[in-house]
Amino acid sequence: AQSVTQLGSHVSVSEGALVLLRCNYSSSVPPYLFWYVQYPNQGLQLLLKYTSAATLVKGINGFEAEFKKSETSFHLTKPSAHMSDAAEYFCAVSAFTSGTYKYIFGTGTRLKVLA
Amino acid sequence: GAGVSQSPRYKVAKRGQDVALRCDPISGHVSLFWYQQALGQGPEFLTYFQNEAQLDKSGLPSDRFFAERPEGSVSTLKIQRTQQEDSAVYLCASSLGLGNTDTQYFGPGTRLTVL
Repeated sequence: AQSVTQLGSHVSVSEGALVLLRCNYSSSVPPYLFWYVQYPNQGLQLLLKYTSAATLVKGINGFEAEFKKSETSFHLTKPSAHMSDAAEYFCAVSAFTSGTYKYIFGTGTRLKVLA
Repeated sequence: GAGVSQSPRYKVAKRGQDVALRCDPISGHVSLFWYQQALGQGPEFLTYFQNEAQLDKSGLPSDRFFAERPEGSVSTLKIQRTQQEDSAVYLCASSLGLGNTDTQYFGPGTRLTVL
């Protein structure tokens, strides 16, 4: 079965500091991986996705993620945090179960940005 | 509209009542998904439609949950005889195609509180 694990339910960084949100996956087939952001009382918005093309994926709002097969990881980074980045972030894998594709989400990481 | 919309945004029900949650996907999107997001958790898959066909309902937690998409556009998730454990945010998502790399676009969710 495919799954993702997000280490750290809460992460705090200072404004301007590096953001690193961790995601590890488990999959017996080449995975397709996604990062979504959720602001309070809003739906999930796609930041970026990995679909087996380039291993370094650039997304919106200055975020990027690198697919590392040897580490089974797909960590999300941003060089310099901004106050507006405070939100909850979800890693997901596209899984084929019961005959259809659906997302399997991690439990999320809440990012706090300190002034 | 430009995005996925859901109504109502908030619903309070007394235990035992029936509720109906509506989703308007992006026009032309073939696939429609329902997810349940409990407090502090990632979204969990409930059911999937390809046009009007419900191809996967493996995530529905009980036979009190029922979903339909009769004309291949708007979808309704119905919960009969609501229980306190049904309290959650119900997210709807749509995607253009059928494949595992398709981006899912999420609505803002309906927050259901069962008293």
